Order: sequence, then C-alpha cells, then structure tokens
Amino acid sequence: GAVVSQHPSRVICKSGTSVKIECRSLDFQATTMFWYRQFPKQSLMLMATSNEGSKATYEQGVEKDKFLINHASLTLSTLTVTSAHPEDSSFYICSAKDPPYEQYFGPGTRLTVT
Amino acid sequence: QQQVKQSPQSLIVQKGGIPIINCAYENTAFDYFPWYQQFPGKGPALLIAIRPDVSEKKEGRFTISFNKSAKQFSLHIMDSQPGDSATYFCAAGEGGSEKLVFGKGTKLTVNP
Repeated sequence: GAVVSQHPSRVICKSGTSVKIECRSLDFQATTMFWYRQFPKQSLMLMATSNEGSKATYEQGVEKDKFLINHASLTLSTLTVTSAHPEDSSFYICSAKDPPYEQYFGPGTRLTVT
Repeated sequence: QQQVKQSPQSLIVQKGGIPIINCAYENTAFDYFPWYQQFPGKGPALLIAIRPDVSEKKEGRFTISFNKSAKQFSLHIMDSQPGDSATYFCAAGEGGSEKLVFGKGTKLTVNP
C-alpha cells in the first residue's frame, strides 16, 4: 500500500508554545489529507479535511485558530498546535487519500504538553 | 444516519480461531467499506476494503462479507495468530464525500 510519513513521532513542549507536525505522502499525490486526534482506547476523531491549495475544513467543535492546517503541496500537509496547553496532549494522526477511495494513515505523533 | 456501529467492543480467541467483527450502517449512499488494523502507539493500517458490488472479498487470511440489504459488513480472520492481536476499525465512505465514518473499534486478543 501507499506510504504516509509523519514527523515528529513524539514531541514534548511547554504550555504556551506552538508545535508543528508534518504529514507527507511518499509515493503518491494526495489532493486531500485529513487530521485526526485519538484519545486512549478510543476511535479516531476527525479534526479537519485539508485540500491542496485551499483552506482546511474543520469539524464542528474544532478550534481553527488553535489547530492551523496548511496543505501547501500535493505531498505535504502540516498541523500547527498554537499556544498548546496540557489538554491538547494527545495522539495526532494524519491520513492521505489516494484517489478515488483509499485512505492511508501516517504513524502518528504523540504530543505531550507540560 | 452517519454512524457506523461496530461490535463487539472486545474479543478474545485462541490461536487458530476465527474472530468475526461486525459493522452496521444506515446511510445507503455509502459505497466504500474499509477495515483498518491498529497496533498500540501506531497509526491505523488499511487491511482490506470492499465496494457494494460484491458480497465477499478475501485477501490472505482476511475476508470481508458484505450484506447490502441488511446494511451490514463483517471481517473474518482465518487461522488467527497472536500477532493479529490489535484494534480493528471498520469505516464507511461515500464516493462523492472525502470523509470516512469510523466505528468505535474492536480490541482483538489472540491467545497462544
């Protein structure tokens, strides 16, 4: 299957700082990428849908000013958690759509805010 | 109507057994049904997927059965192994939509 990478795999930051997470599709062009958040022992919670060259579409209840998403190219999307707080600590996972249907996930990023 | 209901929440089988995980949906516009496997601390991996034009699809030890009239689909794992112990998520998508709707997941444990 297609490969999606994420960087970094783990990050620890202090409260009030910003953190950027990168998501890349390595062997296909993804016009659409998705960002999910996953709490322990729970399902995947879609945060936003990102289309190359346009503004991201955020799910209800997700603060777009806190979770900034940029999809600058067909292989790269970034999620920036701004002014992070301990409640933002979570497992963030991106996925990329290989048209027309398949969606491939990255390995995830564990964010810990102290 | 956008929900996908997955059961059971957890499942324990012996090595060689055939665990079965079930999912049900309401939205008849769904036309793509993937299954994902997730190990702790890792991202979900696409395991197998089916479109509604077929009733069954096999890939190795994994089989999807699809019942369009009942709006249900299930994952069967043949000759299960301890290495299959993971959380499995079903999902459903609509061709014109970008998003997948995920079930809540099933934690599978395969004992040696």
